[in-house]
Amino acid sequence: GAVVSQHPSWVICKSGTSVKIECRSLDFQATTMFWYRQFPKQSLMLMATSNEGSKATYEQGVEKDKFLINHASLTLSTLTVTSAHPEDSSFYICSASPTLAGVTGELFFGEGSRLTVL
Amino acid sequence: GENVEQHPSTLSVQEGDSAVIKCTYSDSASNYFPWYKQELGKRPQLIIDIRSNVGEKKDQRIAVTLNKTAKHFSLHITETQPEDSAVYFCAAPWAAGNKLTFGGGTRVLVKP
Repeated sequence: GAVVSQHPSWVICKSGTSVKIECRSLDFQATTMFWYRQFPKQSLMLMATSNEGSKATYEQGVEKDKFLINHASLTLSTLTVTSAHPEDSSFYICSASPTLAGVTGELFFGEGSRLTVL
Repeated sequence: GENVEQHPSTLSVQEGDSAVIKCTYSDSASNYFPWYKQELGKRPQLIIDIRSNVGEKKDQRIAVTLNKTAKHFSLHITETQPEDSAVYFCAAPWAAGNKLTFGGGTRVLVKP
C-alpha cells in the first residue's frame, strides 16, 4: 500500500510557542491531504483539507489563523499550531490517497503526532 | 455534510465468538464505506471497504454488509482472537473525493 509519513511523532512545547508538523506522501503524489485531530478515546475529527498550490479549506469551528496549513509540493503538507495552549494538546494525524481526484478510495494515514502543550 | 453514527461504543466478546459493529450514514450519495482498525497510540489502518455496487464483501474472518436503502453498513468479525482487540471506526465520504466522516468508534475487547 501507499506510505504516508508524519514527523515528529511526539512533541512537547511550552504554552505560547508554535509547533510545525510535517506530512509526506512517500511513494505517490497527493494534490490533497487531510488533517485530523483525535482527542483521547474519541473519534477522528477532520480539521482541514490541504490543497497543493492553493489555500486550505477548514472545517467549521477550526481557526485557520491558529492552525496554519501549507501544501507547497505534491508530497508535502505542513500543519503549524501557532501560539499553542494546553487545550491544543491532542493527537494530530494526516492522511492522503493516491486515487484520482473525485474518486473515493482508501485513505492512508501518517503515524500521527502527539502534541503536549505545557 | 455526512453524519455517521456507530454502535456500540464498546464491545466485549469471548475469544472465538463473533463481533458485529453497525453504522448508519445520512448522505444517500455516499458510495464508499471503509472500516479502519486503530490500535492504541497508532495510526488507523484500513481492514476492509465496500462500494455501493455490492451488498457484501468478505476477507477471511472479516466481512462487511451494506444496505443502501436503509443507509447502514456493518462489520462482522468471526472467530475473534485477542489481537482483534482495538478500536474500530466506520466512515463514509461527503463532498467530492476522499473527504471522510468517521463514526464515533467501537472499542472491542476480546477476552481469552
